[in-house]
Amino acid sequence: DAGITQSPRHKVTETGTPVTLRCHQTENHRYMYWYRQDPGHGLRLIHYSYGVKDTDKGEVSDGYSVSRSKTEDFLLTLESATSSQTSVYFCAISETTNAQYFGPGTRLTVT
Amino acid sequence: QQQVKQSPQSLIVQKGGISIINCAYENTAFDYFPWYQQFPGKGPALLIAIRPDVSEKKEGRFTISFNKSAKQFSLHIMDSQPGDSATYFCAASKGIGIQGAQKLVFGQGTRLTINP
Repeated sequence: DAGITQSPRHKVTETGTPVTLRCHQTENHRYMYWYRQDPGHGLRLIHYSYGVKDTDKGEVSDGYSVSRSKTEDFLLTLESATSSQTSVYFCAISETTNAQYFGPGTRLTVT
Repeated sequence: QQQVKQSPQSLIVQKGGISIINCAYENTAFDYFPWYQQFPGKGPALLIAIRPDVSEKKEGRFTISFNKSAKQFSLHIMDSQPGDSATYFCAASKGIGIQGAQKLVFGQGTRLTINP
């Protein structure tokens, strides 16, 4: 998985609770991305980052925030989890402006 | 215009046969077209990719054919093996917002089964 780890790998949480997912890379790649994967939708971009200071929204960013205080770590926070955020979350990294490499994923269930 | 349409949803091929998965896009701003392979419980793995100035790219048993005028591209897996059984996603990439960041738009996926 291209030097990418995600934690936790599985999480069950209750509606209304905050949740933070972590992506850690050892490749020193500039770009980091968060996607969610749902049946019938493929993968959809939530947020992305270039370096420590710059983050921006993707196509399904409502209810999510991100932070990147170190090059190697990209955090995804669900401020108040809802059942519609039950999904598999993937982090991806890229050094060039094209090829993206994905982590192993986090399966999140919101009850 | 942001969609990538992939077909078929599922495909069964005999061992040794050719597997063909097709994708179509609308947005001409897309400039990079990768294919990903995903096994259950794993993240998508980059398999092969092509740029629109090339009509075909081959890596081992995997070939991408690209038709820019028709806005279509396809993945061919030659001599398909049971180990190729996985879900395959096509994607299209375009620049977004920050300093060269790229957005991948994915097709819905094709579940490929290779029968021994």
